[in-house]
Amino acid sequence: AQSVTQLDSQVPVFEEAPVELRCNYSSSVSVYLFWYVQYPNQGLQLLLKYLSGSTLVKGINGFEAEFNKSQTSFHLRKPSVHISDTAEYFCAVSRGSSNTGKLIFGQGTTLQVKP
Amino acid sequence: GAVVSQHPSRVICKSGTSVKIECRSLDFQATTMFWYRQFPKQSLMLMATSNEGSKATYEQGVEKDKFLINHASLTLSTLTVTSAHPEDSSFYICSAPLRSAGTSAYNEQFFGPGTRLTVL
Repeated sequence: AQSVTQLDSQVPVFEEAPVELRCNYSSSVSVYLFWYVQYPNQGLQLLLKYLSGSTLVKGINGFEAEFNKSQTSFHLRKPSVHISDTAEYFCAVSRGSSNTGKLIFGQGTTLQVKP
Repeated sequence: GAVVSQHPSRVICKSGTSVKIECRSLDFQATTMFWYRQFPKQSLMLMATSNEGSKATYEQGVEKDKFLINHASLTLSTLTVTSAHPEDSSFYICSAPLRSAGTSAYNEQFFGPGTRLTVL
């Protein structure tokens, strides 16, 4: 069975500091990986995705993630965070061996950016 | 980018009543839509797949008679929570995947803003 584990439930960080949000997955088939951001009482917005090709994926708002097959990880990084990055972040894997659209989400990580 | 809307954004109802939530793809056609449920401070769980022109498929453990799904057109799916009870209170989010041109794969999907249901 496929699963996604986000290792940190909360990550506090000061403004302009770098941040890494960790995500590990478990799958016996090829994976399609996603990072979404959710602001309070809103739906999800796609930050970036890995479907194939380069393992370093760049997304919106200065975020990037690296797909590491040997470590089954897809960590999200940003070199310098802003107050406006405070939100909930979800890592997800597409269920099955193709990009079916059905997503399995991790538990979420709350990024708290402090001034 | 593509837009998915949900209506209402927030609803409060009495126990035993039914509530309908609409999900619309505003600028693209979606033969498939997904319904997720999110409990407070928790992740999203896929409830069901809404299929235009055919029956919805439900995930294991989701009661199809309680959560009625109708995909009436290529841009509209509705989720009706029947005989709602307080334990049905949750944040319901729909999504509509966008199929890549010339393929059967979904390159991206777009999420609605969610509907917060509170059952008293």
